[in-house]
Amino acid sequence: RKEVEQDPGPFNVPEGATVAFNCTYSNSASQSFFWYRQDCRKEPKLLMSVYSSGNEDGRFTAQLNRASQYISLLIRDSKLSDSATYLCVVSWSGTASKLTFGTGTRLQVTL
Amino acid sequence: DADVTQTPRNRITKTGKRIMLECSQTKGHDRMYWYRQDPGLGLRLIYYSFDVKDINKGEISDGYSVSRQAQAKFSLSLESAIPNQTALYFCATSDSSAYGYTFGSGTRLTVV
Repeated sequence: RKEVEQDPGPFNVPEGATVAFNCTYSNSASQSFFWYRQDCRKEPKLLMSVYSSGNEDGRFTAQLNRASQYISLLIRDSKLSDSATYLCVVSWSGTASKLTFGTGTRLQVTL
Repeated sequence: DADVTQTPRNRITKTGKRIMLECSQTKGHDRMYWYRQDPGLGLRLIYYSFDVKDINKGEISDGYSVSRQAQAKFSLSLESAIPNQTALYFCATSDSSAYGYTFGSGTRLTVV
């Protein structure tokens, strides 16, 4: 089983739609959680951290469910510019500052 | 200038050749990493360094070596390149808070 698993997609949605991605992780000792965004052939960039209480940044909402070991990302009112691959990222105790990346979920927002 | 700079941006090399990928940073971070990215496999950790005297193997270190010449510089070498080392290579840095990474723009390496 992969340490961090994501549905690769692609998710094809029209502009203005709401879309959600889930990610599961295998290590219950996981400590820190992030969503990164990666545009085609570019470097990943930190989108947002994920906190236990859930957190929001504009149109983006991240949730963490420790009991079920999954993380979600919700994007409201999708824009064409949201088209990218979204990487779920986890680190766990004993490997502080060493992140493990999921393979990513590709989002394509269309007119 | 970029916070994390990788050189070269693109490189085509022949099987058996030695090649070095370089990474430098202006973030002042202690921690530096080398990852490779392949389609369908995501980012995989090759080596990481938490300070100049600390070098650690990642999950796929075979066929690679690294050198931490200074806090700001971390080089990755392929001693004898092979075609399955064709990939996109990323250098990244972080501080001790583990609040995510800053990545370089990547090096696209092709081994023919």
